[in-house]
Amino acid sequence: QQQVKQSPQSLIVQKGGISIINCAYENTAFDYFPWYQQFPGKGPALLIAIRPDVSEKKEGRFTISFNKSAKQFSLHIMDSQPGDSATYFCAASTAGSNYQLIWGAGTKLIIKP
Amino acid sequence: DAGVIQSPRHEVTEMGQEVTLRCKPISGHNSLFWYRQTMMRGLELLIYFNNNVPIDDSGMPEDRFSAKMPNASFSTLKIQPSEPRDSAVYFCASNEQGLDYGYTFGSGTRLTVV
Repeated sequence: QQQVKQSPQSLIVQKGGISIINCAYENTAFDYFPWYQQFPGKGPALLIAIRPDVSEKKEGRFTISFNKSAKQFSLHIMDSQPGDSATYFCAASTAGSNYQLIWGAGTKLIIKP
Repeated sequence: DAGVIQSPRHEVTEMGQEVTLRCKPISGHNSLFWYRQTMMRGLELLIYFNNNVPIDDSGMPEDRFSAKMPNASFSTLKIQPSEPRDSAVYFCASNEQGLDYGYTFGSGTRLTVV
């Protein structure tokens, strides 16, 4: 019940296309859902995050869509660029925790020029 | 700010040897985390410090692993004795005021135990 299931494991998208990565969870106590981006040889970096009181959050070309009833959330990257090629991790945290993140397994995204 | 600084970047050691990984968090951050990343197990939280005090070490895999934070600007993760299955990338991360502000990760230490 503590798991966050992320799909797909890898994704290839043409430059200019839309990249979509999905995550699903079971624990209804989760109330914070961040996405992290990791480039080779670097640590993950916070990209965008959402709380369940909103269904969508947009920052530039990156959008999180959140479906509370389905217990799913997704990352959409519009106008995907080669520089977006990285591994993306979704994560979730329970109410009251200020440090414990449950991580998805990661999606390796490749944007073809 | 130079970010979270980890050393060494790469470490190759023989099985049975002691390994010490070092981390300097961002100045002013009061939380520090040690993570391990492998292909098989993904990102695993090993230990969490708040204000230099270990709060949760339930992720430390065995007694061979130990971590210290003697002051706000330095932490170590020690493995003694090391084993081949400890081979992984070890990340240190720091954070100021909770999850909403995100973790700032270092660039990691790639440990290979042969």
